[in-house]
Amino acid sequence: KQEVTQIPAALSVPEGENLVLNCSFTDSAIYNLQWFRQDPGKGLTSLLLIQSSQREQTSGRLNASLDKSSGRSTLYIAASQPGDSATYLCAGHGSSNTGKLIFGQGTTLQVKP
Amino acid sequence: KAGVTQTPRYLIKTRGQQVTLSCSPISGHRSVSWYQQTPGQGLQFLFEYFSETQRNKGNFPGRFSGRQFSNSRSEMNVSTLELGDSALYLCASRLEGAIAEAFFGQGTRLTVV
Repeated sequence: KQEVTQIPAALSVPEGENLVLNCSFTDSAIYNLQWFRQDPGKGLTSLLLIQSSQREQTSGRLNASLDKSSGRSTLYIAASQPGDSATYLCAGHGSSNTGKLIFGQGTTLQVKP
Repeated sequence: KAGVTQTPRYLIKTRGQQVTLSCSPISGHRSVSWYQQTPGQGLQFLFEYFSETQRNKGNFPGRFSGRQFSNSRSEMNVSTLELGDSALYLCASRLEGAIAEAFFGQGTRLTVV
């Protein structure tokens, strides 16, 4: 049974810091891995999708990596800003022909001005 | 291009009642998945519909059901509501295939009193 764990559960940093959020999964058979952002009371915004054949993806100040052999993914946020404050969730896709995502519990990030 | 639309955004229901939530996917997306989000359990997969057929189902009681129409719009129904059904219900749509990025709606906040 696939389980996804995110560490740390919460993180508070001063503005401008570079930071790393961690995501680990128990089953290396994971297909794609997707990172999301969620603001309080809102839906999920897709940040990055790392396909099964890829090792990393970049979008602006965000970089996500995937190491299936070790069962880990990291989300790197460069030069953090107060607007980055949100909960970050990683989720694994089991295969290409299923919409089922297995989510971690999320990391709540606060960036202080 | 319109995103995933969920209606209504907020609902208050009484224990024992039933409720129907609606989700309109991104145009061209035939897969719609539903998730329940609570503070204690996080995001949990309810079920997925593809081409009007339920393709995957999570571990929820039979009070939770859904359907999908020929235009890919989906509804989920919860009968005999319990206090513990209070949650944010999210739906996601995606294209089929290897690049299986999931896109989420803003959710429906259900409160059972």
